[in-house]
Amino acid sequence: EAQVTQNPRYLITVTGKKLTVTCSQNMNHEYMSWYRQDPGLGLRQIYYSMNVEVTDKGDVPEGYKVSRKEKRNFPLILESPSPNQTSLYFCASSLVGYTEAFFGQGTRLTVV
Amino acid sequence: KNEVEQSPQNLTAQEGEFITINCSYSVGISALHWLQQHPGGGIVSLFMLSSGKKKHGRLIATINIQEKHSSLHITASHPRDSAVYICAVVAGAGSYQLTFGKGTKLSVIP
Repeated sequence: EAQVTQNPRYLITVTGKKLTVTCSQNMNHEYMSWYRQDPGLGLRQIYYSMNVEVTDKGDVPEGYKVSRKEKRNFPLILESPSPNQTSLYFCASSLVGYTEAFFGQGTRLTVV
Repeated sequence: KNEVEQSPQNLTAQEGEFITINCSYSVGISALHWLQQHPGGGIVSLFMLSSGKKKHGRLIATINIQEKHSSLHITASHPRDSAVYICAVVAGAGSYQLTFGKGTKLSVIP
């Protein structure tokens, strides 16, 4: 089954403790992206990747890192999480940057 | 930076009504997505448009590139259509950055 898988689904962590949210797709898509969703602000793009080893900033990249070493995986790294990074995070992939997008189930992150 | 405006923000309809949700953007784009998010949070792609019109079942999406405007129509609305509908634009000129509207919350009453 074609899918985008994010892990974990829920995470509570403390300020400053490094964490990684994983994202994996099985559709051989070139384009992958991370978003955060906050009440009143909607969805905002954090980073995107057009292919292996090619990444670029979205609207809100501060405090996040990404890497794309393999086509199927695009992890989101928070090296020193802060409470303002408490949010619902989505990963998505598409064949290329302007084709139908497939979203993961979301990761609800709470930083205390 | 592209500004994406959706209207209305909230919409309540009776079952069977024809529904229109609008999306306007400020800067030229290469494509536009319509997304659906049900309570519980999962996001599903409904349409990706770069020109013209697309239809899938009771859903129709149109885009007018010159006027920088897109519409999502739902014919014969049903309570299961209750969700948040989100417009997202893909930047042009070699960038694939996405900018989202804030969404339209649709409630369809039986």
